[in-house]
Amino acid sequence: EVQLVESGGGLVQPGGSLRLSCAASGFTFSSYEMNWVRQAPGKGLEWVSYISSSGSTIYYADSVKGRFTISRDNAKNSLYLQMNSLRAEDTAVYYCARGIVNWGQGTLVTVSS
Amino acid sequence: EIVLTQSPDFQSVTPKEKVTITCRASQSIGSSLHWYQQKPDQSPKLLIKYASQSISGVPSRFSGSGSGTDFTLTINSLEAEDAAAYYCHQSSSLPQTFGQGTKLEIK
Repeated sequence: EVQLVESGGGLVQPGGSLRLSCAASGFTFSSYEMNWVRQAPGKGLEWVSYISSSGSTIYYADSVKGRFTISRDNAKNSLYLQMNSLRAEDTAVYYCARGIVNWGQGTLVTVSS
Repeated sequence: EIVLTQSPDFQSVTPKEKVTITCRASQSIGSSLHWYQQKPDQSPKLLIKYASQSISGVPSRFSGSGSGTDFTLTINSLEAEDAAAYYCHQSSSLPQTFGQGTKLEIK
């Protein structure tokens, strides 16, 4: 069974940093592209970042470009999102997703003073 | 950026009714359009991929159609458990984008 478990969310002050992790199991992680998608409270879905299976191709939404960094460790079956210079508008549940098919349960990031 | 516009934003329907949700893209995306269902406090669940391809484990009452700029999600014989928000999503070009969502309420 495919499982994606996000962690690392929490409360952080504006300007602060957080590192999200996504532990993958039940499939050959190194063979799949991955995405981070977020959802602000009571709002719709927003794609954040993409990484290819090898990690060689990476894309970001304009709203996070220059502040967020996506990475993966295929040996550890893990996906990461390093978030710097956080803003109030980054407050959201962050989901990791295997391509378009499988999503984790999400981790809540709250940016507030 | 490709904008996806869903309609309606909200619909209140009775069980066994047929429901149609549309998603219009601001430019052609071929068949790279996917549909998700999201219930409160849950992550999105893929219902239909690439406009019309069914997903294992998803009830057959859910179906999709369309290509280019106009797409439709159809729910035949609605059940109470179908109360949820529904989103379309395009993966044709970056940035990937989502529709604003359609909230379905069961009367």
